[in-house]
Amino acid sequence: GAVVSQHPSRVICKSGTSVKIECRSLDFQATTMFWYRQFPKQSLMLMATSNEGSKATYEQGVEKDKFLINHASLTLSTLTVTSAHPEDSSFYICSARPRSTEAFFGQGTRLTVV
Amino acid sequence: AQSVTQLGSHVSVSEGALVLLRCNYSSSVPPYLFWYVQYPNQGLQLLLKYTSAATLVKGINGFEAEFKKSETSFHLTKPSAHMSDAAEYFCAVKGGSTLGRLYFGRGTQLTVWP
Repeated sequence: GAVVSQHPSRVICKSGTSVKIECRSLDFQATTMFWYRQFPKQSLMLMATSNEGSKATYEQGVEKDKFLINHASLTLSTLTVTSAHPEDSSFYICSARPRSTEAFFGQGTRLTVV
Repeated sequence: AQSVTQLGSHVSVSEGALVLLRCNYSSSVPPYLFWYVQYPNQGLQLLLKYTSAATLVKGINGFEAEFKKSETSFHLTKPSAHMSDAAEYFCAVKGGSTLGRLYFGRGTQLTVWP
């Protein structure tokens, strides 16, 4: 099946710094990528949807300036958590979708802000 | 609008027993339905999907699910649980827009006792 690589798998950063998470589709072109956030013992919450070459569409309540999403190519999307705070600590998961098929998920990134 | 309800946040079974994880959906369009499995600190792996073909869908690892339109259900079953099946399971329905976002249930934690 299609492979989506998410990097890093774990990251610890200091409060106030920024962290970038990468999501790559390794063997297909992803016309659409999705970024989810998952709190402990809870479901996935969609943060934003991005199409290659256009601005991301953010879900209600998600701060655009805090969670910067870039989908510069058909195989790469990045999520940057800017000025991270402890409440941003969470599990972030990306998924990538080729045209007209279901999405494939990355392995997730455990972000801890100290 | 699309939504998914998973009944039971925790299910415990003995090894070798039947596994039944419940999912009911609400969709304003003919639904595409999915079951995913998530192991600790990992992304989501697709178990199976319903895309309006056969109502009984067979997936990986011996799992299957039956789409019942009259009951708006898509319950996941496995005849004989294995210790390795212990994980979090998510039911999801695909949105009606062309972006194809997924709406997830809250998840069901499956515990398998020896």
